[in-house]
Amino acid sequence: VQLVESGGGLVQPGRSLRLSCAASGFTFDDYAMYWVRQAPGKGLEWVSGISWNSGNIDYADSVKGRFTISRDNAKNSLYLHMNSLRVEDMALYYCAKGRWRGPFEYWGQGTLVTVST
Amino acid sequence: EVVLTQSPGTLSLSPGERATLSCRASQSVSSSYLAWYQQKPGQAPRLLIQGPSSRATGIPDRFSGSGSGTDFTLTISRLEPEDFAVYYCQQYGSSPFTFGPGTKVDIK
Repeated sequence: VQLVESGGGLVQPGRSLRLSCAASGFTFDDYAMYWVRQAPGKGLEWVSGISWNSGNIDYADSVKGRFTISRDNAKNSLYLHMNSLRVEDMALYYCAKGRWRGPFEYWGQGTLVTVST
Repeated sequence: EVVLTQSPGTLSLSPGERATLSCRASQSVSSSYLAWYQQKPGQAPRLLIQGPSSRATGIPDRFSGSGSGTDFTLTISRLEPEDFAVYYCQQYGSSPFTFGPGTKVDIK
Protein backbone atom coordinates (compact mmCIF):
# COMPACT_ATOMS: atom_id res chain seq x y z
CA VAL A 1 0.00 0.00 0.00
CA GLN A 2 1.28 3.41 -0.90
CA LEU A 3 -0.31 6.84 -0.59
CA VAL A 4 1.73 9.76 -1.90
CA GLU A 5 0.47 13.29 -1.35
CA SER A 6 1.59 16.24 -3.46
CA GLY A 7 0.60 19.79 -4.28
CA GLY A 8 1.53 21.50 -1.04
CA GLY A 9 3.52 24.70 -0.93
CA LEU A 10 3.58 28.35 0.07
CA VAL A 11 0.43 30.31 -0.75
CA GLN A 12 -0.90 33.71 0.24
CA PRO A 13 -4.05 34.05 2.32
CA GLY A 14 -7.16 34.06 0.15
CA ARG A 15 -5.55 32.06 -2.63
CA SER A 16 -6.25 28.49 -3.76
CA LEU A 17 -4.35 25.23 -3.86
CA ARG A 18 -5.09 21.69 -5.01
CA LEU A 19 -3.68 18.70 -3.19
CA SER A 20 -3.42 15.26 -4.77
CA CYS A 21 -2.97 11.80 -3.33
CA ALA A 22 -1.76 9.01 -5.59
CA ALA A 23 -2.74 5.53 -4.40
CA SER A 24 -1.22 2.18 -5.26
CA GLY A 25 -0.96 -1.33 -3.88
CA PHE A 26 -4.67 -1.81 -3.22
CA THR A 27 -7.99 -1.66 -5.05
CA PHE A 28 -8.61 2.07 -4.82
CA ASP A 29 -12.32 2.01 -5.58
CA ASP A 30 -12.98 -0.47 -2.76
CA TYR A 31 -12.14 2.17 -0.17
CA ALA A 32 -13.27 5.49 1.18
CA MET A 33 -10.58 8.13 1.37
CA TYR A 34 -9.96 10.90 3.84
CA TRP A 35 -7.92 14.06 4.40
CA VAL A 36 -6.54 14.79 7.86
CA ARG A 37 -4.34 17.75 8.76
CA GLN A 38 -1.85 18.50 11.49
CA ALA A 39 -0.71 22.03 12.25
CA PRO A 40 2.93 22.32 13.30
CA GLY A 41 3.38 20.89 16.80
CA LYS A 42 -0.37 20.24 17.14
CA GLY A 43 -2.76 17.29 17.06
CA LEU A 44 -4.74 15.66 14.27
CA GLU A 45 -7.80 17.28 12.70
CA TRP A 46 -10.10 15.40 10.32
CA VAL A 47 -10.80 17.58 7.26
CA SER A 48 -12.91 15.63 4.78
CA GLY A 49 -13.95 12.19 3.59
CA ILE A 50 -15.36 10.64 0.42
CA SER A 51 -16.86 7.19 -0.07
CA TRP A 52 -15.72 4.77 -2.74
CA ASN A 53 -18.19 6.01 -5.35
CA SER A 54 -18.32 9.66 -4.20
CA GLY A 55 -21.87 9.04 -3.03
CA ASN A 56 -21.01 10.18 0.50
CA ILE A 57 -18.94 13.30 1.10
CA ASP A 58 -18.42 15.15 4.34
CA TYR A 59 -16.40 18.06 5.66
CA ALA A 60 -15.29 19.54 8.94
CA ASP A 61 -17.13 22.77 9.72
CA SER A 62 -13.82 24.63 9.63
CA VAL A 63 -13.44 23.99 5.88
CA LYS A 64 -17.03 23.57 4.70
CA GLY A 65 -17.78 25.84 1.75
CA ARG A 66 -14.08 26.46 1.05
CA PHE A 67 -12.64 22.97 0.43
CA THR A 68 -13.87 20.35 -2.05
CA ILE A 69 -12.87 16.70 -1.96
CA SER A 70 -13.03 14.57 -5.09
CA ARG A 71 -11.60 11.36 -6.48
CA ASP A 72 -10.85 9.80 -9.84
CA ASN A 73 -11.06 6.03 -9.51
CA ALA A 74 -9.70 5.54 -13.02
CA LYS A 75 -6.52 7.36 -11.98
CA ASN A 76 -6.37 5.96 -8.41
CA SER A 77 -6.25 9.52 -7.17
CA LEU A 78 -7.77 11.65 -4.45
CA TYR A 79 -7.91 15.44 -4.50
CA LEU A 80 -8.56 18.33 -2.17
CA HIS A 81 -9.37 21.68 -3.75
CA MET A 82 -8.73 24.39 -1.19
CA ASN A 83 -10.10 27.89 -1.79
CA SER A 84 -9.97 31.07 0.31
CA LEU A 85 -7.04 29.73 2.30
CA ARG A 86 -6.45 31.14 5.77
CA VAL A 87 -3.42 31.24 8.01
CA GLU A 88 -5.12 28.68 10.23
CA ASP A 89 -5.23 26.19 7.31
CA MET A 90 -1.45 25.92 7.46
CA ALA A 91 -0.64 22.29 8.24
CA LEU A 92 0.71 18.99 7.05
CA TYR A 93 -2.10 17.37 5.07
CA TYR A 94 -2.34 13.58 5.12
CA CYS A 95 -4.51 11.37 2.96
CA ALA A 96 -5.71 8.11 4.45
CA LYS A 97 -7.68 5.07 3.32
CA GLY A 98 -10.42 3.21 5.14
CA ARG A 99 -14.03 2.16 4.98
CA TRP A 100 -16.75 4.80 5.07
CA ARG A 101 -17.36 5.37 8.78
CA GLY A 102 -14.39 3.17 9.51
CA PRO A 103 -10.96 3.69 11.02
CA PHE A 104 -8.20 5.19 8.92
CA GLU A 105 -6.26 2.06 8.08
CA TYR A 106 -3.26 3.54 6.31
CA TRP A 107 -1.84 7.04 5.94
CA GLY A 108 0.44 8.77 3.49
CA GLN A 109 3.44 10.83 4.61
CA GLY A 110 1.72 14.16 4.05
CA THR A 111 2.22 17.35 2.06
CA LEU A 112 2.89 20.67 3.77
CA VAL A 113 0.69 23.69 3.12
CA THR A 114 2.05 27.03 4.28
CA VAL A 115 -0.28 30.03 4.21
CA SER A 116 1.58 33.29 4.63
CA THR A 117 2.13 36.69 3.10
CA GLU B 1 -19.92 17.01 17.58
CA VAL B 2 -18.32 14.33 19.77
CA VAL B 3 -15.49 15.89 21.77
CA LEU B 4 -12.76 13.50 22.90
CA THR B 5 -10.62 14.18 25.96
CA GLN B 6 -7.44 12.20 26.58
CA SER B 7 -5.62 11.80 29.84
CA PRO B 8 -3.00 12.18 30.97
CA GLY B 9 -1.46 14.68 28.60
CA THR B 10 1.96 13.18 29.18
CA LEU B 11 2.88 9.83 30.70
CA SER B 12 6.47 9.35 31.81
CA LEU B 13 7.37 5.69 32.19
CA SER B 14 10.32 3.34 31.91
CA PRO B 15 10.71 0.48 29.42
CA GLY B 16 8.99 -2.63 30.74
CA GLU B 17 6.33 -0.69 32.62
CA ARG B 18 2.60 -0.79 31.91
CA ALA B 19 0.95 2.22 30.26
CA THR B 20 -2.73 3.03 30.65
CA LEU B 21 -4.15 5.78 28.45
CA SER B 22 -7.69 7.13 28.76
CA CYS B 23 -10.05 8.58 26.18
CA ARG B 24 -13.37 10.04 27.25
CA ALA B 25 -16.13 11.14 24.87
CA SER B 26 -18.62 13.96 25.42
CA GLN B 27 -21.41 11.60 24.30
CA SER B 28 -21.75 7.91 23.64
CA VAL B 29 -19.67 6.74 20.69
CA SER B 30 -21.87 5.03 18.10
CA SER B 31 -21.38 1.25 18.03
CA SER B 32 -18.07 1.69 19.85
CA TYR B 33 -16.55 3.10 16.68
CA LEU B 34 -13.37 4.21 18.41
CA ALA B 35 -9.80 3.81 17.20
CA TRP B 36 -6.32 4.41 18.58
CA TYR B 37 -3.36 5.65 16.55
CA GLN B 38 0.34 5.91 17.31
CA GLN B 39 2.46 8.72 15.90
CA LYS B 40 6.23 8.97 16.19
CA PRO B 41 8.15 12.20 15.43
CA GLY B 42 8.35 12.88 11.70
CA GLN B 43 6.08 9.98 10.84
CA ALA B 44 2.48 9.56 9.80
CA PRO B 45 0.01 8.12 12.31
CA ARG B 46 -0.43 4.35 12.37
CA LEU B 47 -3.65 2.55 13.24
CA LEU B 48 -3.26 0.41 16.34
CA ILE B 49 -6.73 -0.50 17.57
CA GLN B 50 -10.22 -0.25 16.14
CA GLY B 51 -13.68 -0.96 17.23
CA PRO B 52 -12.54 -0.45 20.19
CA SER B 53 -10.61 -3.62 21.02
CA SER B 54 -9.44 -5.17 17.74
CA ARG B 55 -5.76 -4.85 16.93
CA ALA B 56 -4.89 -3.73 13.42
CA THR B 57 -2.80 -5.98 11.22
CA GLY B 58 0.74 -6.43 12.52
CA ILE B 59 0.17 -4.74 15.88
CA PRO B 60 1.82 -6.63 18.76
CA ASP B 61 -0.41 -8.13 21.43
CA ARG B 62 1.09 -5.94 24.13
CA PHE B 63 -1.34 -3.30 22.81
CA SER B 64 -4.95 -3.73 23.89
CA GLY B 65 -8.05 -1.58 23.80
CA SER B 66 -11.21 -1.66 25.85
CA GLY B 67 -14.25 0.38 26.75
CA SER B 68 -17.67 1.35 25.53
CA GLY B 69 -20.07 4.24 25.59
CA THR B 70 -18.03 7.24 26.63
CA ASP B 71 -14.98 5.70 28.32
CA PHE B 72 -12.18 3.92 26.47
CA THR B 73 -8.71 2.74 27.42
CA LEU B 74 -5.54 1.84 25.53
CA THR B 75 -3.17 -0.37 27.50
CA ILE B 76 0.42 -1.19 26.62
CA SER B 77 1.29 -4.12 28.84
CA ARG B 78 5.08 -3.76 28.78
CA LEU B 79 6.62 -0.73 27.11
CA GLU B 80 9.24 -1.39 24.49
CA PRO B 81 11.69 1.38 23.44
CA GLU B 82 9.80 1.82 20.15
CA ASP B 83 6.51 2.49 21.95
CA PHE B 84 7.50 5.95 23.16
CA ALA B 85 5.31 8.15 20.98
CA VAL B 86 2.09 10.16 20.91
CA TYR B 87 -1.20 8.27 20.98
CA TYR B 88 -4.49 9.62 19.64
CA CYS B 89 -8.00 8.28 20.00
CA GLN B 90 -10.57 8.95 17.29
CA GLN B 91 -14.27 8.33 16.98
CA TYR B 92 -15.56 7.44 13.52
CA GLY B 93 -19.18 6.74 14.40
CA SER B 94 -20.53 10.17 13.61
CA SER B 95 -19.33 13.11 11.56
CA PRO B 96 -17.16 15.03 12.21
CA PHE B 97 -14.76 12.16 12.85
CA THR B 98 -12.99 13.80 15.76
CA PHE B 99 -9.63 13.05 17.32
CA GLY B 100 -8.56 13.50 20.90
CA PRO B 101 -5.67 15.89 21.70
CA GLY B 102 -3.24 13.03 22.24
CA THR B 103 -1.23 11.50 25.08
CA LYS B 104 2.55 11.63 24.86
CA VAL B 105 4.30 8.61 26.34
CA ASP B 106 7.88 9.54 27.06
CA ILE B 107 10.84 7.90 28.73
CA LYS B 108 11.17 8.54 32.44
